[in-house]
Amino acid sequence: AQKITQTQPGMFVQEKEAVTLDCTYDTSDPSYGLFWYKQPSSGEMIFLIYQGSYDQQNATEGRYSLNFQKARKSANLVISASQLGDSAMYFCAMREGLISGTYKYIFGTGTRLKVLA
Amino acid sequence: SQTIHQWPATLVQPVGSPLSLECTVEGTSNPNLYWYRQAAGRGLQLLFYSVGIGQISSEVPQNLSASRPQDRQFILSSKKLLLSDSGFYLCAWSVARRKAFFGQGTRLTVV
Repeated sequence: AQKITQTQPGMFVQEKEAVTLDCTYDTSDPSYGLFWYKQPSSGEMIFLIYQGSYDQQNATEGRYSLNFQKARKSANLVISASQLGDSAMYFCAMREGLISGTYKYIFGTGTRLKVLA
Repeated sequence: SQTIHQWPATLVQPVGSPLSLECTVEGTSNPNLYWYRQAAGRGLQLLFYSVGIGQISSEVPQNLSASRPQDRQFILSSKKLLLSDSGFYLCAWSVARRKAFFGQGTRLTVV
């Protein structure tokens, strides 16, 4: 079964608008971490934002914020004021296994975002 | 500061040939190490991870194997490549709760 689900294979957003990229997850581990990465066409993986399962507040990093709804097991990424350089593939990831010490990072299938001028 | 080196960047190999991709990490001790594969336009599939020297966990049964001969060295191998082994291979490391840091990747084409 998919542990990280990204249901939007592709998204378009107008420059300067906000966009939300969806991510749902599934784990029985009581302690886990949620991450978003950006992958431009070069292939490098760029870390954007992190949310711990026990964090009370939603994480924010500049124009990026993570809408964490623990009961619904969702961790959506919100990009405000989109820029042309935001066009890339975006991956949601979960780190589980903190209790067992295995520290596995599982990735979703990604959402390709295109920012329109 | 910590860095991760992954090579080669690009590789074209014939079907049936062996494979060895190497990844080394500098500036940290006892990292967790990972190998991922990304098919064209797709997500990252976790292939192997390691929490210590000689400790390898395989996520997907396949034509590949991994080894960790030293604390900061992670090697992905195959004895005989298949066409389906083509893809973008990424090595990554992490420590405890921290985010995973990725190498630049190796684009493997099996012909």
